[in-house]
Amino acid sequence: DGGITQSPKYLFRKEGQNVTLSCEQNLNHDAMYWYRQDPGQGLRLIYYSQIVNDFQKGDIAEGYSVSREKKESFPLTVTSAQKNPTAFYLCASSPGVNTGELFFGEGSRLTVL
Amino acid sequence: AQKITQTQPGMFVQEKEAVTLDCTYDTSDQSYGLFWYKQPSSGEMIFLIYQGSYDEQNATEGRYSLNFQKARKSANLVISASQLGDSAMYFCAMREAVWDMRFGAGTRLTVKP
Repeated sequence: DGGITQSPKYLFRKEGQNVTLSCEQNLNHDAMYWYRQDPGQGLRLIYYSQIVNDFQKGDIAEGYSVSREKKESFPLTVTSAQKNPTAFYLCASSPGVNTGELFFGEGSRLTVL
Repeated sequence: AQKITQTQPGMFVQEKEAVTLDCTYDTSDQSYGLFWYKQPSSGEMIFLIYQGSYDEQNATEGRYSLNFQKARKSANLVISASQLGDSAMYFCAMREAVWDMRFGAGTRLTVKP
């Protein structure tokens, strides 16, 4: 079945460590996104990518990094520079610009100990 | 500036009754899309309904309808015949003529038996 796979589902990290969240899609979508969700709040855009080897910062990119070496993959690294990384992270994709809804993965919950 | 405003942090509805979740938006673009997503406690984002800014008819999808009032910049979600499984967070979102999608803070709907 086509869809978006995020891993791991749950992740624990010690302060000062970098961690990478995986996002893979087999929908052949051009655009991919990373959102952060804090408890009881909406989604905030971290990064998005329109095409391979290109990505743009969203509203809260500080302390995060991404890469887009393959169309189907858009990993997110949460670096030690992110002051408050404990959150729920959602990856999404869409066929292209302004072409309808985003398709979401099931999310990754990161907890910093 | 806040693009999407959902003023109801929580709503209660009796099973089998209808409920309206409010959403107002802010844009100077003529072309944009409005979306509603449902997020159950498991965390995944489920697409419910879409309204394009040029669509003259209100969108409907089964028990969901979108009350689109362009001049007032509102896009309220109406759920008819509420079911217990409708209990979840509901997010209103907008895509302008760019790649990213912006979300409101959400409304937690609780359906009472």
